[in-house]
Amino acid sequence: AQSVAQPEDQVNVAEGNPLTVKCTYSVSGNPYLFWYVQYPNRGLQFLLKYITGDNLVKGSYGFEAEFNKSQTSFHLKKPSALVSDSALYFCAVRDMPEEDGANNLFFGTGTRLTVIP
Amino acid sequence: GAVVSQHPSWVICKSGTSVKIECRSLDFQATTMFWYRQFPKQSLMLMATSNEGSKATYEQGVEKDKFLINHASLTLSTLTVTSAHPEDSSFYICSVLGPGQGIGETQYFGPGTRLLVL
Repeated sequence: AQSVAQPEDQVNVAEGNPLTVKCTYSVSGNPYLFWYVQYPNRGLQFLLKYITGDNLVKGSYGFEAEFNKSQTSFHLKKPSALVSDSALYFCAVRDMPEEDGANNLFFGTGTRLTVIP
Repeated sequence: GAVVSQHPSWVICKSGTSVKIECRSLDFQATTMFWYRQFPKQSLMLMATSNEGSKATYEQGVEKDKFLINHASLTLSTLTVTSAHPEDSSFYICSVLGPGQGIGETQYFGPGTRLLVL
């Protein structure tokens, strides 16, 4: 069975400092991992994904995430936080085996990032 | 990324009425769309997968007779909440599976519809 854990409900970071939003996962097959951001009263916006290849994935707005198979983690990072990065961040994993052909996502509970000016 | 619209953005209705929410893919024809429900301070829960031209696939625990999904065209899927009750109040979000053929194709999300049932 699949699962996604975001251990921190809230992350606070000062503007200009590096930020990390943590995510760990559990799937039976190959993990397909995604990060989405949700601004207040808005839908989710795609940030980045890992399918195969380089473990360091670069995405939108200067975000990146590192896939670590041994630790089953896919932490979201940014070298220098902006106040405008304050939002709700969701980690997601595809939960179906390749043969199934489906592509629905299973989401973590979200982490609220607050960047303090 | 792809543009996905939802209409209405918010709706208030009386208990017992039905509400229809539209989800449109504006950039490409979408064979597969998804409907999610998001409770306050909680994650998104997949309700159903909508495939054009066929019946939707509902997740366990989701009443198919209460949440009617119609994927009538490659750019439009509708979710109808029938005989709505206060416990149906929530934020409903649709997503569209990207046009690529890869296994890990990206989903693109609509802005969501906030439903309040009085």
